[in-house]
This record gives sequence, C-alpha cells and structure tokens, in this order.
Amino acid sequence: QSALTQPASVSGSPGQSITISCTGTNSDIGTYNYVSWYQQHPGKAPKLMIYDVNSRPSGVSYRFSGSKSGNTASLTISGLQAEDEADYYCCSYTTSTTRVFGTGTKVTVL
Amino acid sequence: QVQLVESGGGVVQPGRSLRLSCVGSGFTFSSHGIHWVRQAPGKGLEWVAVISYDGNEKYYADSVKGRFTISRDNSKSTLYLQVNSLRSEDTAIYYCAKDFPTRPQIDYWGQGTLVTVSS
Repeated sequence: QSALTQPASVSGSPGQSITISCTGTNSDIGTYNYVSWYQQHPGKAPKLMIYDVNSRPSGVSYRFSGSKSGNTASLTISGLQAEDEADYYCCSYTTSTTRVFGTGTKVTVL
Repeated sequence: QVQLVESGGGVVQPGRSLRLSCVGSGFTFSSHGIHWVRQAPGKGLEWVAVISYDGNEKYYADSVKGRFTISRDNSKSTLYLQVNSLRSEDTAIYYCAKDFPTRPQIDYWGQGTLVTVSS
C-alpha cells in the first residue's frame, strides 16, 4: 500500500486560508468516507483534527474543515494563526482493512 | 481522560528482538481496535498494525509482516508489539493509537516509545 500523496509544504500569512490536498486511489479514499486528518507539532504526538472526511471532534476549532472529491481529500484551515504551524497528515481506511497515511505537509505561517 | 502509555523501547542490535507495551486507561479498552504507528526520525507517519477489540483480527503493513506480531490482553488493558529480526530501518518512535468505538479511524494517540536499532 503506497502512502497517500500530500504536498510537502504549504504556507500562508495570518488570517489567510490554506488548503492541503491528499490524493489516494480507489482502494482507499475513493471507496470510503473514513478519511481523517492529524496535526503534529514538533516532538509531540499527533492530534485528531477531522474524521469522517468533514467532522470535527469536540474542542477542535471551526477554522478546520475537510472535504472529499473522488480519490482526493482536502483539509482547509481558515483564518490562519501562528499556532497552526505544524505538520499535517491525512489517513484513510483501505479495502484491505488496513490504514494508510499521507506523506505529510508542513504548514508554515509567514 | 483517555491515556495510552507506551513502554519497552530502547537501543537494540540488528537482528535482535524487543517487545513493546501500551497500557490504556480512561476508556473501555476491550471495546476498541488499537494500532501501532511508527515515525522514523524526521520522517512521516507509517501505519504498522491493528488488532480488533477482541484480538481475533490482526492486520499488518507489508513492511513488517512476518517479523512483527500484535497482541492484546484486555484483562490488563494492555497492547503489545513483538518485534523480531530488527533492522536499522525499524528505528522510529512507535505510537499506539486507538480507534473510535464505531468507526475505523484513530481518535487518540499515546506519546510514543523510541526504538533505536544500532550495533
């Protein structure tokens, strides 16, 4: 199972919106709505930000939203803030009953 | 609150074995599928293995199949990962992470335990 494809880096100024893409195949993103997104700050464990493509857990800011079209899922961060600077990973359930993570995207707040 | 605490990491020589443990608390351990996910230094997350809530179903990444074994003891709220024939490329932080009770996605992560394979 190959990793899902994400851009290596995305940047934006405070207050702007950015979108991170996550491209998979018909064996993962294209078949299931079990797509989740995780935020990881340096030296910390990942934290769930989005699940079921577009649902936010309690406590996660409304500025984070998710979507999916075909084999590609996306995470949008609106009203970018300094604390959003981190690595972000997508993850999908697969037809083999396994999981696959994305390659990871480093978000920089300019 | 939900807690997952890993242990058992350390420095080990190539070809040797290690057993990692993860103790869960703050939730009904026996109701959740649980994963091992690893992260090599400076690299991304790599899914390793998952075990069903009752231990009857186990799935592995191709990169570890045949060398790693996931298991659990629900009476002790503990997850295990037996890692054999270790290679330098197995050097990573190993996280345990639990699924939602009703959907196959990870909702909580432990803090990880570092495994370093070096002679």
